[in-house]
Amino acid sequence: EPEVTQTPSHQVTQMGQEVILRCVPISNHLYFYWYRQILGQKVEFLVSFYNNEISEKSEIFDDQFSVERPDGSNFTLKIRSTKLEDSAMYFCASIAGKNTEAFFGQGTRLTVV
Amino acid sequence: DQQVKQNSPSLSVQEGRISILNCDYTNSMFDYFLWYKKYPAEGPTFLISISSIKDKNEDGRFTVFLNKSAKHLSLHIVPSQPGDSAVYFCAASAGAQKLVFGQGTRLTINP
Repeated sequence: EPEVTQTPSHQVTQMGQEVILRCVPISNHLYFYWYRQILGQKVEFLVSFYNNEISEKSEIFDDQFSVERPDGSNFTLKIRSTKLEDSAMYFCASIAGKNTEAFFGQGTRLTVV
Repeated sequence: DQQVKQNSPSLSVQEGRISILNCDYTNSMFDYFLWYKKYPAEGPTFLISISSIKDKNEDGRFTVFLNKSAKHLSLHIVPSQPGDSAVYFCAASAGAQKLVFGQGTRLTINP
């Protein structure tokens, strides 16, 4: 069964450092997303990406965040200068088309110290 | 801005009985609704979905009901099994836009 894969599974970084979270969406999917979940809270939308550009972003997704699809398979989330409050589980998701289920990766646990 | 709400943070059900998880939404633009199951430190796993043109969708032990006039949906699991113990998230979207999640309901199935 096709799946979304994320690496690394866990990343510890010092405050102010840059991190790149990587995702390989399902190959024939067209829409890509990043979500995050702070411990004990709900899953929150960060950004959506379609046709090689951002289609929507939340207020969380400020200038410190960026996304890229550098080739036909990878989808990355970069945080330029991490803050303590960026500590969370980050989930990548993809969908094949409108009104279809989103498939999520296993997540990257980001810990900023 | 809680467009999707799950008012019950937890639910405990005996094995073999029916589990009913509820979800309310406020945005009438939502046209697609989903339920996800989530274990700690794992990504959400898709369970079942329903389009706004339907009022019921069934898949094995899982049935989702949608009441558009009340802006309410529910997930029925019958019979409940110990492996169903997890956090369940309701989510909604409009077209291919982002999923908006509820806060989750922790379901515990007691033997």
